[in-house]
Amino acid sequence: DVKVTQSSRYLVKRTGEKVFLECVQDMDHENMFWYRQDPGLGLRLIYFSYDVKMKEKGDIPEGYSVSREKKERFSLILESASTNQTSMYLCASIDNQSTDTQYFGPGTRLTVL
Amino acid sequence: KQEVTQIPAALSVPEGENLVLNCSFTDSAIYNLQWFRQDPGKGLTSLLLIQSSQREQTSGRLNASLDKSSGRSTLYIAASQPGDSATYLCAAPGAGSYQLTFGKGTKLSVIP
Repeated sequence: DVKVTQSSRYLVKRTGEKVFLECVQDMDHENMFWYRQDPGLGLRLIYFSYDVKMKEKGDIPEGYSVSREKKERFSLILESASTNQTSMYLCASIDNQSTDTQYFGPGTRLTVL
Repeated sequence: KQEVTQIPAALSVPEGENLVLNCSFTDSAIYNLQWFRQDPGKGLTSLLLIQSSQREQTSGRLNASLDKSSGRSTLYIAASQPGDSATYLCAAPGAGSYQLTFGKGTKLSVIP
């Protein structure tokens, strides 16, 4: 079974802090994604990566950066957290070698005070 | 840019009823469409993926159909159970892309 894990289920940070959210997948997938999910707005793509050290902006990249130093790990960085970044953050990877199925992690509920 | 719409936003049915969830998309040049389930406070679980060459895909009590020409997909749930209560999302990629655009979901409640 494919497993996508995220470093924290719940996180509370203060405004201005630098925040790291980590995602690890164990199936050698090349493509990985970071989304945020907000009530009424649905899932929105922040960044994605199609290979090590490669990244592409999604629909809402402002205030975020990413890092992909190893194939299995994709990190989302909030350089200076703000209250409007309070959200559920979801990581996903895609099995583009066979089924194109997208697999999601359990999510990180981030609260910025 | 792909846009995905799901109607209704919420649905409440008695246990045992068959039901249909609807999904429409604007860019019909898709190579697949995926249905997900999300329980409160959790991540998404893939239920079914239909390739563009397929019309239907089945898994247990779930059946998903795809009509590219009309830009529609449906998820049929047979003999609904309280454990089916969740939010169901459909997602479609843009042309030539792995990026998925998600609908806002249908929140299903199955009443015992």
